[in-house]
Amino acid sequence: QQPVQSPQAVILREGEDAVINCSSSKALYSVHWYRQKHGEAPVFLMILLKGGEQKGHDKISASFNEKKQQSSLYLTASQLSYSGTYFCGTEIIATGGFKTIFGAGTRLFVKA
Amino acid sequence: GAVVSQHPSRVICKSGTSVKIECRSLDFQATTMFWYRQFPKQSLMLMATSNEGSKATYEQGVEKDKFLINHASLTLSTLTVTSAHPEDSSFYICSAWDRDKDRYGYTFGSGTRLTVV
Repeated sequence: QQPVQSPQAVILREGEDAVINCSSSKALYSVHWYRQKHGEAPVFLMILLKGGEQKGHDKISASFNEKKQQSSLYLTASQLSYSGTYFCGTEIIATGGFKTIFGAGTRLFVKA
Repeated sequence: GAVVSQHPSRVICKSGTSVKIECRSLDFQATTMFWYRQFPKQSLMLMATSNEGSKATYEQGVEKDKFLINHASLTLSTLTVTSAHPEDSSFYICSAWDRDKDRYGYTFGSGTRLTVV
């Protein structure tokens, strides 16, 4: 039930790009993306609802292929502040409402 | 933006005792809250969905009698770890959504690091 995230870890130099993928075996209502710094709570980045939807702000964007039940997060021209663990959360319709299951996370480290 | 207040942030308790963790939604009403558990360098594992005024829905493998969830009001959900053991030591975190979750996603509490000695 847990979505599969890849890669598990990425090391980038400042200014480089990265792509993080998330795939699910279940039909999805939406996909959320969060970033978590060590010892802190996850912070919401964006949510994608419709098949083929793409969103972005600043240099972080994401896409959602509803048919393939996959989503990708794109980080361009990475900054030191992008370091952290990125989680995709796949939201499914469950008994009584919705619930979100998180992937195992992708640890991103950006170095100067 | 929406704020979810969670406390305590850290707690150390003796084996066999119970610990209560509170999660409050500030300036918004949360009919549903989620409780997660996170082990070091691992993902957020959904434990249960807490619904105001009704019984919580637990995920498979989560002991209802051990992890008591109460959602008595629209702004407060509590998780009580009963008869805690060292293997219950973990980072517990709650989340809720404000207004339109399809735009703003979920807001997480700051988490509670539980250490059972």
